[in-house]
Amino acid sequence: AQSVTQLGSHVSVSEGALVLLRCNYSSSVPPYLFWYVQYPNQGLQLLLKYTSAATLVKGINGFEAEFKKSETSFHLTKPSAQMSDAAEYFCAVSDLGSSNTGKLIFGQGTTLQVKP
Amino acid sequence: DAEITQSPRHKITETGRQVTLACHQTWNHNNMFWYRQDLGHGLRLIHYSYGVQDTNKGEVSDGYSVSRSNTEDLPLTLESAASSQTSVYFCASSEQVSGWDTGELFFGEGSRLTVL
Repeated sequence: AQSVTQLGSHVSVSEGALVLLRCNYSSSVPPYLFWYVQYPNQGLQLLLKYTSAATLVKGINGFEAEFKKSETSFHLTKPSAQMSDAAEYFCAVSDLGSSNTGKLIFGQGTTLQVKP
Repeated sequence: DAEITQSPRHKITETGRQVTLACHQTWNHNNMFWYRQDLGHGLRLIHYSYGVQDTNKGEVSDGYSVSRSNTEDLPLTLESAASSQTSVYFCASSEQVSGWDTGELFFGEGSRLTVL
């Protein structure tokens, strides 16, 4: 069965600093991987997704993530944090299973704090 | 624009009462999902549906039920609300493409339920 582990429930960076949010997955089949962002009192919205094309995936708001099969990782990065990036971030893997119809399995989430 | 709406956004109820949370999507998606979000657990799947008259149990389905009588709606019912069901509930939908679900979910804004 697939699973997702996000390392660090809280990450704090200064404005302009590198953002690195870590995600490791477990999957017996080639996975689809996702990063979602949740702003306060809102639903989740898709940042980016990996579906077995390019291993470096670019998303919205300057975020990108790199799929590394050897490390079973899909870490999210952004070169320069902005105050508006403060939110909760979820990594997810698609549970393709035998029915070939996926549903997402989410990590526990990482809260990103951006300090001025 | 297509969207997914949840109602009510906030509800307080008493232990033992039946509660129904509504979810309506205008994406014309076949797949619909209900998740609950709790601190330290991320999002956990309650029930899901791949089409009209189809419903399936997720990871945390005990005490919940759903029905799918049309494409647009997937109401979630708590048969007898318990304090452990105090949570934020998210409805989501996704499109099935060529038999494989890409897994990209579109989320509602959530329903915050408090069971006293």
